Amino acid sequence: QVQLQESGPRLVKSSETLSLTCTVSGGSVSSYYLTWFRQPPGKGLEWIGYIYYSGSTNYNSSLKGRVSISMDTSKKQFFLKVFSVSPADTAVYYCARVGRDGLLFTHNWFDPWGQGIQVTVSS
Amino acid sequence: DIQVTQSPSYLSASVGDRVTISCRASQSISTYLNWYQQRPGKAPRLLIYFASNLQRGVPSRFSGRGSGTDFTLTISSLQPEDYATYYCQQSESSPPTFGQGTTVDIK
Repeated sequence: QVQLQESGPRLVKSSETLSLTCTVSGGSVSSYYLTWFRQPPGKGLEWIGYIYYSGSTNYNSSLKGRVSISMDTSKKQFFLKVFSVSPADTAVYYCARVGRDGLLFTHNWFDPWGQGIQVTVSS
Repeated sequence: DIQVTQSPSYLSASVGDRVTISCRASQSISTYLNWYQQRPGKAPRLLIYFASNLQRGVPSRFSGRGSGTDFTLTISSLQPEDYATYYCQQSESSPPTFGQGTTVDIK
């Protein structure tokens, strides 16, 4: 059974960099898109971006170039950095894997998900 | 970006009730529509993928239907553990986008 687990600092100061790690256990990262989402307090879900095991990435343009996703396939870990954070970046951050392996990010679904990590940005 | 709109935003229902949640996409997405359940403090859980396919382990009281722009999620007989927020998500194109959520509360 595939499981994902987020880890990292839960408190970040404004203008600094938010850094999170997602560790995958019990399953493969090869041929899968690995993604990050976030959910501000009391709000809905926002896709942040993905990385494919080949190393290709794509990000939500709403984050305006402040995001970077990378991975270490040997450790089955992938990473999120959000630069120049503000209190508006306060959210629960989730990592997830797409359900179907292969070349398509679209025409897919997200399962499983990590349990989420609450990150607060202080002003 | 494809916009996805759910209705209602909130509903109150009793155990045993039949509940239907709607989701409308801003353009045709074929059947590339997924449904998730999120309990308070928990991660989203996949219920239905590609409009009508029940994810393994999800009770059969959950069902989905629709294609094009209009979709529904139905809970045939609401159970206490079903009180949660439900999200639809389109996967026709990137970025994947979610509805604003429907909170199902106890009546």
